[in-house]
Amino acid sequence: AQRVTQPEKLLSVFKGAPVELKCNYSYSGSPELFWYVQYSRQRLQLLLRHISRESIKGFTADLNKGETSFHLKKPFAQEEDSAMYYCALSPNTGNQFYFGTGTSLTVIP
Amino acid sequence: AAGVIQSPRHLIKEKRETATLKCYPIPRHDTVYWYQQGPGQDPQFLISFYEKMQSDKGSIPDRFSAQQFSDYHSELNMSSLELGDSALYFCASSLGSGRQETQYFGPGTRLLVL
Repeated sequence: AQRVTQPEKLLSVFKGAPVELKCNYSYSGSPELFWYVQYSRQRLQLLLRHISRESIKGFTADLNKGETSFHLKKPFAQEEDSAMYYCALSPNTGNQFYFGTGTSLTVIP
Repeated sequence: AAGVIQSPRHLIKEKRETATLKCYPIPRHDTVYWYQQGPGQDPQFLISFYEKMQSDKGSIPDRFSAQQFSDYHSELNMSSLELGDSALYFCASSLGSGRQETQYFGPGTRLLVL
């Protein structure tokens, strides 16, 4: 069975501080991992995906297969980063997505 | 840029009533996905359509049905509504149905069943 776990429901950091949003997954194959972000009153949107290995808005995430983790990191948090962040997994078969329960990030000025 | 449109944004129904949720994908997108997110729960995949045919099925109750029309918009029909159907229903669209295709989400329809 596939499962995505985001252990932190709420996370608060001060502006300029580093931030890390944790994501762990359980899957026996080679999934694709994503981070989605939902800003207040806006739609869910893709932030980044592990296969592209890109940095979006200063965020990066590295897939660690040994630890089955895909933590989202940013060295210096900004106020506009305050949002709900969802980690998601797509199995290597089918086109379903499995989302974590999300982490609400608040960046304190 | 155009995004996924969902209609209505909010809906209130009573038990045993029916509801229809609509999803309009991004232009040229041929695949539509439906998700249900209950309060404090993970979004759960319900069903998807590619080129107007059902492409995948998740945890969609038998009381629900969905289809994709010739213009690629999709409708989720929900009958005999139950209190537990109260949730946020997301629609997403993509170009192509492979797992490499990024899904773009709509803002969701919040359904409240009283």
